Amino acid sequence: QQQVKQSPQSLIVQKGGIPIINCAYENTAFDYFPWYQQFPGKGPALLIAIRPDVSEKKEGRFTISFNKSAKQFSLHIMDSQPGDSATYFCAAISTGTASKLTFGTGTRLQVTL
Amino acid sequence: NAGVTQTPKFRVLKTGQSMTLLCAQDMNHEYMYWYRQDPGMGLRLIHYSVGEGTTAKGEVPDGYNVSRLKKQNFLLGLESAAPSQTSVYFCASSYPPGQRNYGYTFGSGTRLTVV
Repeated sequence: QQQVKQSPQSLIVQKGGIPIINCAYENTAFDYFPWYQQFPGKGPALLIAIRPDVSEKKEGRFTISFNKSAKQFSLHIMDSQPGDSATYFCAAISTGTASKLTFGTGTRLQVTL
Repeated sequence: NAGVTQTPKFRVLKTGQSMTLLCAQDMNHEYMYWYRQDPGMGLRLIHYSVGEGTTAKGEVPDGYNVSRLKKQNFLLGLESAAPSQTSVYFCASSYPPGQRNYGYTFGSGTRLTVV
């Protein structure tokens, strides 16, 4: 049973647009939610992460919004650039009980000129 | 500061051949993981280890074996390769969950083709 559902599967936006990638989870024990960015031919790299004690976290042009009651979190990319074109994975873990992250299935983002 | 190093980067195998993929990390991470990535399937965990001498199965362990004889190395073995094992393999490592600097560091991948 997939525990982290990610959508959309793919996304195309124009330069300057604000792509939004959504993830939903069921396990209320999850307490750490990272996002990973993967460029073609490379391994995923940690982009930004949030814990459920805050509703939003910003790092540069990347923002995570977190809705604990809805069990949803999303990634927003402000002023998107062609260099942001990559695959993005959300993930979650219960840090007190689990040994590994549960990943979403990924979103392939293309930012056009 | 190498991080996570995977060898080889590319390999073509014939069906039935065996091979070992090597993952080495220099960050003194306790935990290590092997994933495979196929188009449209995301990252699927094959095996993982929470410390030297320990291993555990992930969601797709069949056809693979692993060993963690040294803390810095995690080996993935294919005893008898099958075309279904054609994939990109990623190794990752991390501190234990809950630590302040927790997060996976991934290698750059091994692209394996089984013909």
